[in-house]
Amino acid sequence: EAGVAQSPRYKIIEKRQSVAFWCNPISGHATLYWYQQILGQGPKLLIQFQNNGVVDDSQLPKDRFSAERLKGVDSTLKIQPAKLEDSAVYLCASASLGGGEYGYTFGSGTRLTVV
Amino acid sequence: QQQVKQSPQSLIVQKGGISIINCAYENTAFDYFPWYQQFPGKGPALLIAIRPDVSEKKEGRFTISFNKSAKQFSLHIMDSQPGDSATYFCAASKAGSARQLTFGSGTQLTVLP
Repeated sequence: EAGVAQSPRYKIIEKRQSVAFWCNPISGHATLYWYQQILGQGPKLLIQFQNNGVVDDSQLPKDRFSAERLKGVDSTLKIQPAKLEDSAVYLCASASLGGGEYGYTFGSGTRLTVV
Repeated sequence: QQQVKQSPQSLIVQKGGISIINCAYENTAFDYFPWYQQFPGKGPALLIAIRPDVSEKKEGRFTISFNKSAKQFSLHIMDSQPGDSATYFCAASKAGSARQLTFGSGTQLTVLP
């Protein structure tokens, strides 16, 4: 099966600019996650969707980050305005049956550099 | 209570040696403990996972040892190969959290030829 697709692969922006990332999950996967991975750290959950509804966005900095999942399939994550500390790899993952050993697949991520 | 602590931060092993990475957790509600392998420029990929009702799980050269009373688990890579050079993350999740993963900080493994 095709994996989780993410674009763009790399993005460099200046602080205070806006940026958007796109994710296309594995077909049929109801659950979609966005994780932020800062260099040298483990991934940290930002937001979780079940179909097109938000399950948990408690760790999403809502003053600057927003996310949506269109028709329960593709998802976009937006940052506006970006700060230097937002430099990280943004990973999208999708899962069936709630994730875990039932199938939790990460995309290759978007590496964001804020200068 | 959500933290998962991982050590060492980096590990260098000779080809054919045993690589051991350790993790400790605090939240006793965690009931699923996967290990992920990440190569540069790629997302993490599930390597092996264990539930706390067993003390050990083996898949090929990879073994998880689990100590429920100590709230610790470890990954052992037997006969380490240069192709195993990657960053390894332990993680944990709990039922009811829709399988959100809490990750450790990662271990960069280098296997020398």
